[in-house]
Amino acid sequence: GAGVSQSPSNKVTEKGKDVELRCDPISGHTALYWYRQSLGQGLEFLIYFQGNSAPDKSGLPSDRFSAERTGGSVSTLTIQRTQQEDSAVYLCASSSPGGRYEQYFGPGTRLTVT
Amino acid sequence: QKEVEQDPGPLSVPEGAIVSLNCTYSNSAFQYFMWYRQYSRKGPELLMYTYSSGNKEDGRFTAQVDKSSKYISLFIRDSQPSDSATYLCATKKGGNEKLTFGTGTRLTIIP
Repeated sequence: GAGVSQSPSNKVTEKGKDVELRCDPISGHTALYWYRQSLGQGLEFLIYFQGNSAPDKSGLPSDRFSAERTGGSVSTLTIQRTQQEDSAVYLCASSSPGGRYEQYFGPGTRLTVT
Repeated sequence: QKEVEQDPGPLSVPEGAIVSLNCTYSNSAFQYFMWYRQYSRKGPELLMYTYSSGNKEDGRFTAQVDKSSKYISLFIRDSQPSDSATYLCATKKGGNEKLTFGTGTRLTIIP
C-alpha cells in the first residue's frame, strides 16, 4: 500500500513568514511522529500523536512550533515567524498499534528560510 | 553531551569488505535499539531492531547490543555499492514512543 506522504517536498520562505507542512500517514496507523533533521544534528524528535490521547509535545523547540492531527489521520506542522535556524528537513513517521518500534518515515519536507 | 553518540564519518570501504558501524549511549533506560538506513533525499527506513543485549542477524546485516558498555553496532558483510547510504542508530525507552537518534554515519562502498 501507499507509504507516508508529505507535502510540499521543498519549501522556501522568507524569515518571519508562517509555514504549514503536511503529513499523510499510512492508512490504519494510529501513531504519528514529527522529527527535524538538521545538517550534522541527526533526527530530533518534535511531537508524537497517539489516537485520541493528548500529544507529547516535549520536543517542540519553541512556542512558534505547533502541530495538529485532524480526524486521527492527516497532520499539519505549523511554524510561525520562521527563523533561519528553522531551516531543516522535517520528517513525519507513522506506526501501527503493537509495532511501535517500527516507525515508517515519509520523504520529508526540506524547509529553507532566507 | 548527546544521549546517543555516533561517528559521522564519512566512511569509505571497498566492495566486499565487512563494515562496522557503532554508537554509544548514555541513558541506561534505553531498552530498544534500532538501525535505520537513509538514502539521499529519502526518509529513513528500518533495517534492524534489537531488544536489550544480544545479537540479531538478518542476511548480510548483524546488529549487536552490549548494555553493560552502552555500545551498539551494525555489521554489514559482503558490502555492496547499493549499501552506500547514511546509517542512523536509534534508541527507545520502554513505554515511551520517542526515538532518540545518533547523528548518522555516511557510508560509501567503492566498486
